[in-house]
This record gives sequence, C-alpha cells and structure tokens, in this order.
Amino acid sequence: QKEVEQDPGPLSVPEGAIVSLNCTYSNSAFQYFMWYRQYSRKGPELLMYTYSSGNKEDGRFTAQVDKSSKYISLFIRDSQPSDSATYLCAMSLYNNNDMRFGAGTRLTVKP
Amino acid sequence: GAGVSQSPSNKVTEKGKDVELRCDPISGHTALYWYRQSLGQGLEFLIYFQGNSAPDKSGLPSDRFSAERTGGSVSTLTIQRTQQEDSAVYLCASSLAPGSNQPQHFGDGTRLSIL
Repeated sequence: QKEVEQDPGPLSVPEGAIVSLNCTYSNSAFQYFMWYRQYSRKGPELLMYTYSSGNKEDGRFTAQVDKSSKYISLFIRDSQPSDSATYLCAMSLYNNNDMRFGAGTRLTVKP
Repeated sequence: GAGVSQSPSNKVTEKGKDVELRCDPISGHTALYWYRQSLGQGLEFLIYFQGNSAPDKSGLPSDRFSAERTGGSVSTLTIQRTQQEDSAVYLCASSLAPGSNQPQHFGDGTRLSIL
C-alpha cells in the first residue's frame, strides 16, 4: 500500500461545476497537508497549505483535512477552464524534506 | 530571476552516458530539494540541501546518482551510466528555510529521456 493514495483520474467536468479532489494516507503522524497545481510541462505550484485538521478557504478553493479518517480534500467552486491541470496532494511529518506526494489527479474543465 | 531555474529543459541521451542537470534556486533560499516525477507517479524525493549542513541523500535510488550544491546556491544533479528507467522529469525546489511552514517553490523541471 502506498503511503499516499490519490485517484489519477482523469476527471472531466463542465465549466461552473464544483470539483472534489481527494487523497487518503496511511501514516497518522502526518501533520502538514498541501495541494499543488501542476500545468502541463510546468513545475508544481502551491495552492493550499493546512496544518492538522480543519478547513481552509482561499477564493474558489477550499481544503479540508480529516485526520481521524486520514482523508484530505480540495474543493474548487465555479470551476474554470483555466483550472485544467494536474492536482497533487502532499503531506509531511515535521519538515519539508519529509514530504510525500500523491500521484496527482488530472482535471479538465470544459467550456 | 524571480523563480527556480532549471536547465536544460529537455535532455535526450543514450543509455550508458552521464548527464548533469542544473538548478538555480530563488535568491536567498537556503533549502534546496531534488525530486523525480515519473509518468503516473507522485514526486519521489531524491536529495535535500540545507545551508552548509551535510545533505540528506536518503532518497537517491542508487550510487549512480549524486548531487552537489556549490556556494550554497546552484545545485547539480549527476546521473552516471544512465539507464532507461532513469527517464523521468527531474524537479528542483527551494524554500526560504527548512520546515513545513515554508512552502517549496518548484522549477519547471528537466525532462530526461534515455534511449
């Protein structure tokens, strides 16, 4: 079993839809949870960062962490074609060099 | 430049050759990381540099892989006697300091293809 599981998709939605992206993990010691967005032939860019359990909202993006279920989610409201990218979840214990990444979910938002 | 710069952006080489990949981190960032991204796989940690400390090499997959960071800035990842399974995107990231409250900023990677 991988330490971080993420459905690779692909996921295709119409413009304006609410998108839900998820990851599960096996190590209950993870404390820091991140979502990165990666456009084709580009490096990942940090979208959301949360510590421990709870919700965090930034514009159209909401990140949720449920440590009891070892499950994290990223919601995108009013999705736009420009949101089409691969979304990577990542998590770590204490320091950045402990980070573990999911395989990424490829999202396409159709106009 | 404003971001992490990696070169070359693409590299095609024959099996058995050595390759060098370069990373120029954001100015002032003391922490530097190398990752490997294979198709359908998550980012695989390779090596981590922090200031003048000894690097964390725990992610290097074999002794054919090595990396150095000169003067606390530019880093070079070297792969000797390349194999076809080394084909992947090699990503470099830097952060202001170690610790998970400092986000990593990634370059656009080097796409390595071994024929």
